[in-house]
Amino acid sequence: QLQLQESGPGLVKPSETLSLTCTVSGGSISSSGYYWGWIRQPPGKGLEWIGSIYYSGSTYNNAALKSRVTMSVDTSKKQFSLKLSSVTAADTAVYYCARHIVVVVAGPGPGPVDHWGQGTLVTVSS
Amino acid sequence: DIVMTQSPDSLAVSLGERATIHCKSSQNVLYSSNNQNYLAWYQQKPGQPPKLLIYWASTRESGVPDRFSGSGSGTDFTLTISSLQAEDVAVYYCQQYYSSPAFGPGTKVDIK
Repeated sequence: QLQLQESGPGLVKPSETLSLTCTVSGGSISSSGYYWGWIRQPPGKGLEWIGSIYYSGSTYNNAALKSRVTMSVDTSKKQFSLKLSSVTAADTAVYYCARHIVVVVAGPGPGPVDHWGQGTLVTVSS
Repeated sequence: DIVMTQSPDSLAVSLGERATIHCKSSQNVLYSSNNQNYLAWYQQKPGQPPKLLIYWASTRESGVPDRFSGSGSGTDFTLTISSLQAEDVAVYYCQQYYSSPAFGPGTKVDIK
């Protein structure tokens, strides 16, 4: 069965770059039917979608974070990654990697999330 | 951007009774070309990632008990738990995927 596992530092200093990787097992990352995404949840708060990437490398980004977000995918390693630059305390959150089902509106895009990683807490603090 | 709201913020329901959660989108999420509402519901229990319950506003994900049902169209949607069980205590989120995905703020469901 499909599993997603986040990895990366749990503590990042303010103004630095947060880097996380998600490793996919039990399934293909190169399927045309899915986007691979990042969603975060500040402690005690709700969910915020960060962005999603297709196996080809095309991306969708949350406009509020777009200037600070870089995503990449490595199909040979079955991994996709997130970089969030210039972090502040407001970026402290549990970060989830996720699989979206592809849906079509004007074109293909990330739809509902049918698989989630367990999440990793990233704290921004000096 | 489409903004999602939910009501109530929290509710407490007796075991076996009905729980109803409302979700409203700031714009229409019904795609006319396929007559589908681009709306999903998730359940999140403490310390766990969210779990997909319903997509296309009313289609239950595989394995989800049939006491969970979704309804609505356009901008107004409802998640109903027909007979609340102890294991249903959780926070429930709606999400639109008509445009860049966005979640509602969540509704906490407890036992009365």
